[in-house]
Amino acid sequence: QSVLTQPPSVSAAPGQKVTISCSGSSSNIGNNYVSWYQQLPGTAPKLLIYDNNKRPSGIPDRFSGSKSGTSATLGITGLQTGDEADYYCGTWDSSLSAGSPWVFGGGTKLTVL
Amino acid sequence: EVQLVESGGGLVQPGRSLRLSCTASGFTFGDYAMSWVRQAPGKGLEWVGFIRSKAYGGTTEYAASVKGRFTISRDDSKSIAYLQMNSLKTEDTAVYYCTRSQDVWGQGTTVTVSS
Repeated sequence: QSVLTQPPSVSAAPGQKVTISCSGSSSNIGNNYVSWYQQLPGTAPKLLIYDNNKRPSGIPDRFSGSKSGTSATLGITGLQTGDEADYYCGTWDSSLSAGSPWVFGGGTKLTVL
Repeated sequence: EVQLVESGGGLVQPGRSLRLSCTASGFTFGDYAMSWVRQAPGKGLEWVGFIRSKAYGGTTEYAASVKGRFTISRDDSKSIAYLQMNSLKTEDTAVYYCTRSQDVWGQGTTVTVSS
């Protein structure tokens, strides 16, 4: 059971928009920046969003991030078949019950129909 | 180009030890904290631990699941981070990724713990 809760899967058609939620608490999302990662099949994770809404160099502006209270959201517009991947949120957690100082969501599998 | 390359994975029996290495290039290694993240087969990402830069004391933090068994160290002169894994369990079987503060990731190295 992950400390951060994500939907197991989402799907949408090419060209459409999709959002992926990440729900936490005051010990993690509520008081820390959130990052988002994309893991294409058979590859290492790649940073998509950091500090809630910033994109590293080379990440297209089709990807966006936001945070409100103890939840964060990843948005992807203009969906492409190449966006099919697993997406993870991550952040620091100050709670002893979290089991580690950094926590990930359980991951969301995006299917582009 | 910023790059991280892990090595040292393999098949090991339960209870034995293994040391992974992460060789960095393309950035000033000593300026950054270095983390290890693992992914069991078909599962999500699990943060293992990290080591701060010398400027922040070079101290370490670990996930509860590996604390007391795993040790992270670094050699800034060689730009290498290490993950020493002792008393390995079958549930430690995973791909182990080295990351630069969770922003740049290596390609991973596979550790299989089995008799």
